[in-house]
Amino acid sequence: DAKTTQPPSMDCAEGRAANLPCNHSTISGNEYVYWYRQIHSQGPQYIIHGLKNNETNEMASLIITEDRKSSTLILPHATLRDTAVYYCIVRASGTYKYIFGTGTRLKVLA
Amino acid sequence: DTGVSQNPRHKITKRGQNVTFRCDPISEHNRLYWYRQTLGQGPEFLTYFQNEAQLEKSRLLSDRFSAERPKGSFSTLEIQRTEQGDSAMYLCASSLADRGLGNTIYFGEGSWLTVV
Repeated sequence: DAKTTQPPSMDCAEGRAANLPCNHSTISGNEYVYWYRQIHSQGPQYIIHGLKNNETNEMASLIITEDRKSSTLILPHATLRDTAVYYCIVRASGTYKYIFGTGTRLKVLA
Repeated sequence: DTGVSQNPRHKITKRGQNVTFRCDPISEHNRLYWYRQTLGQGPEFLTYFQNEAQLEKSRLLSDRFSAERPKGSFSTLEIQRTEQGDSAMYLCASSLADRGLGNTIYFGEGSWLTVV
């Protein structure tokens, strides 16, 4: 199964950019990378997704390397409310099974 | 536009009892997913429906677990003869068929199960 690897935790100062990396070296050529976050006891919240090109929306930017083996989620101006677990997920090839790892626990510090 | 709705949000049951969770997906979403999440872990895939057809089941879904989506709209997840190890948050998600723009899934707030 395709899988992702993320650092278990990161800290970021409030107002600074948070850069969260993800490795997905086994991703298939036509599979998207999706990012979600989960605030304690709530369901995962969709942030952004991408295939090859960099993407930006009102929440974040997604940078995907040219070989598509890794990506970085950027929160441009982190706030305390961005403290959460961030998941980078891909779909197992040929299925609709989205595989979550253990994510990165981002703590935004005042 | 309402999101994915799950009921009940919390359930405490005695070991050996049966429990049922309901999920109402986002309107017109034809795909529906169930996940389970235990403390400190990421969500684990359980099963997936496209319309009323259950197309994929995880090995995590033992014979005590059954999921249905009879009319291709809401879905139920039943756990029979609950065990303490079933204590977890059960997440439902839905999505619209992939139109070449990715298949973004949207999650509900989850149903917490505690088996005592």
